[in-house]
Amino acid sequence: AQKVTQAQTEISVVEKEDVTLDCVYETRDTTYYLFWYKQPPSGELVFLIRRNSFDEQNEISGRYSWNFQKSTSSFNFTITASQVVDSAVYFCALSEAYSGGSNYKLTFGKGTLLTVNP
Amino acid sequence: EPEVTQTPSHQVTQMGQEVILRCVPISNHLYFYWYRQILGQKVEFLVSFYNNEISEKSEIFDDQFSVERPDGSNFTLKIRSTKLEDSAMYFCASSAYGLGYTFGSGTRLTVV
Repeated sequence: AQKVTQAQTEISVVEKEDVTLDCVYETRDTTYYLFWYKQPPSGELVFLIRRNSFDEQNEISGRYSWNFQKSTSSFNFTITASQVVDSAVYFCALSEAYSGGSNYKLTFGKGTLLTVNP
Repeated sequence: EPEVTQTPSHQVTQMGQEVILRCVPISNHLYFYWYRQILGQKVEFLVSFYNNEISEKSEIFDDQFSVERPDGSNFTLKIRSTKLEDSAMYFCASSAYGLGYTFGSGTRLTVV
């Protein structure tokens, strides 16, 4: 069974600080996908990134970066120079790439509430 | 960019009433899903649908729930007799394989 753990329930930072959100996952599959979603107060789920299990290269997109380490089953997310608009709940999620070929359900972590104060 | 559309955005219903939540997935997607998020909690998988049948359902998805793809474009979630604990945000999603995973903006269901 797959599992995603986001140990940080809430994080509060001051604007312009860097912040890292942790994600640890468990899966028995060798092929899987990892995701990060942002959920602002309006409630929708905003896709941030998808990474497959064969690609361990770190990725940077503007102020966002992701560190994928298979050796520790972690997929951490860093926001550099945080802004008030980054305040949201952030979810890490896992999809096993093959579940009988008819289902790619996502298993979500419990989320981390990030508050960026001015 | 293609979107998954959910209606209504907010629904209030009385306990024991039936509700139907509607979704229009992205047209060339093959896999369809419903997820639920109780306020302040994580997003939980309810059911996946592929090739006109349920491919997996969670423990939450009991006999009170059903899904349909009645006309090739809509994808609905029906709750037959709502309970207070069904109050949640319900998200529809669709994907091409496991990759182009797109969520709708959700329907907030309030059972009173």
